[in-house]
Amino acid sequence: DIHLTQSPSFMSASVGDRVTITCRASQDIGNPLGWYQQKPGKAPNLLIYAASTLQSGVSSRFSGSGFGTEFTLTISSLQPEDFATYYCQHLHSYPITFGQGTRLEIK
Amino acid sequence: QVQLQESGPGLVKPSETLSLTCTVSDASIRSFTWSWIRQPAGKGLEWIGRIYRNGKTDYNPPLKSRVTMSVDTSKNQFSLKLSSVTAADTAIYYCTREFYSAAWYSDYWGQGTLVTVSS
Repeated sequence: DIHLTQSPSFMSASVGDRVTITCRASQDIGNPLGWYQQKPGKAPNLLIYAASTLQSGVSSRFSGSGFGTEFTLTISSLQPEDFATYYCQHLHSYPITFGQGTRLEIK
Repeated sequence: QVQLQESGPGLVKPSETLSLTCTVSDASIRSFTWSWIRQPAGKGLEWIGRIYRNGKTDYNPPLKSRVTMSVDTSKNQFSLKLSSVTAADTAIYYCTREFYSAAWYSDYWGQGTLVTVSS
């Protein structure tokens, strides 16, 4: 099974900061990886797919990169609405799994 | 705007079968791939499985022996059945629409429905 580890699990940052979240896969998965944002009490929302493709309607301050075993989600300039929990998900093989999540809070 | 709405019992007894339905609006159930994902309260996400527009299914191995998904095209709905439930199956269950870009990703989600397994 492919295990995804996100780092950090928790972070605090300020509005305007540049933030990077890392997702590491336990083996090479190529690029079938997605990033989701989840706000309290809401369903997750797809931000990035295929590791680096911005989902339609998502702000361009979100970007993704990576291939193989290491992936990053970057928020270029944090906005108040970006404080949420972020999850990566691999689609390489079964079982499909998610990372444990990164909770981003306001400093 | 595509909308998905989960429905079903909020309380299921241990050893019984959990049954949920997802009603889809503004998208034909015949034209897309659909999936279920769950999330225990305060915890992470777990992908359960998907059903393709041809009716074929793929289930995640840990749950495969207990999961059945199906589609009702006349009602534009798809459903999830999870048998022999235990307290570990208590979670918010989401239905999603998936799109393909070299892999399947969930682009539309229902609001989620909480299912509690308890006697």
